[in-house]
Amino acid sequence: DAKTTQPPSMDCAEGRAANLPCNHSTISGNEYVYWYRQIHSQGPQYIIHGLKNNETNEMASLIITEDRKSSTLILPHATLRDTAVYYCIVRPNTGGFKTIFGAGTRLFVKA
Amino acid sequence: NAGVMQNPRHLVRRRGQEARLRCSPMKGHSHVYWYRQLPEEGLKFMVYLQKENIIDESGMPKERFSAEFPKEGPSILRIQQVVRGDSAAYFCASSPRQEGTDTQYFGPGTRLTVL
Repeated sequence: DAKTTQPPSMDCAEGRAANLPCNHSTISGNEYVYWYRQIHSQGPQYIIHGLKNNETNEMASLIITEDRKSSTLILPHATLRDTAVYYCIVRPNTGGFKTIFGAGTRLFVKA
Repeated sequence: NAGVMQNPRHLVRRRGQEARLRCSPMKGHSHVYWYRQLPEEGLKFMVYLQKENIIDESGMPKERFSAEFPKEGPSILRIQQVVRGDSAAYFCASSPRQEGTDTQYFGPGTRLTVL
């Protein structure tokens, strides 16, 4: 079973920031928080990951609470092409651990 | 640097035939994972392989399904005597053999339709 809880769907206006929450209250000390998204029926796309510090890359920012029990993925300026299912996953960051996907959050970006 | 490649992208088989799905990992990646996504459902782990070894096949059905990752060439997911319930999207992911940076990158998938 997935170790994360996400809202099933969210809406966001184009050009605004999209903030996608994730709860992972049972996360272990060696587990990272990963975010992927799946646009329509394409293959999952890696977005970002982190352990305990906030992370930022060209796609998004990841904010992890100090107790590591929840996190937020931020898309700073959402576009229509960001409409997708977003998956929050916790797993160790060493080789050989399967990724367990939950239901994710279906983000709708509206014009 | 080319991403994970899968072929064919679409595959149609009749019940009872065999399906062979191929996955070429990213350059430098030695770990391969296969996932299946049934229509309107989430992705489910099937099998994890390293070169010439199956490491974890806990998600793979015990019958008709097999996977390999030979020393040379792509990883192959093989489904024998396909049934309609095998119709799904099959995704392959690869990751490098490095501590601390073992992010899995996914291919575009193979969509199998069983008639």
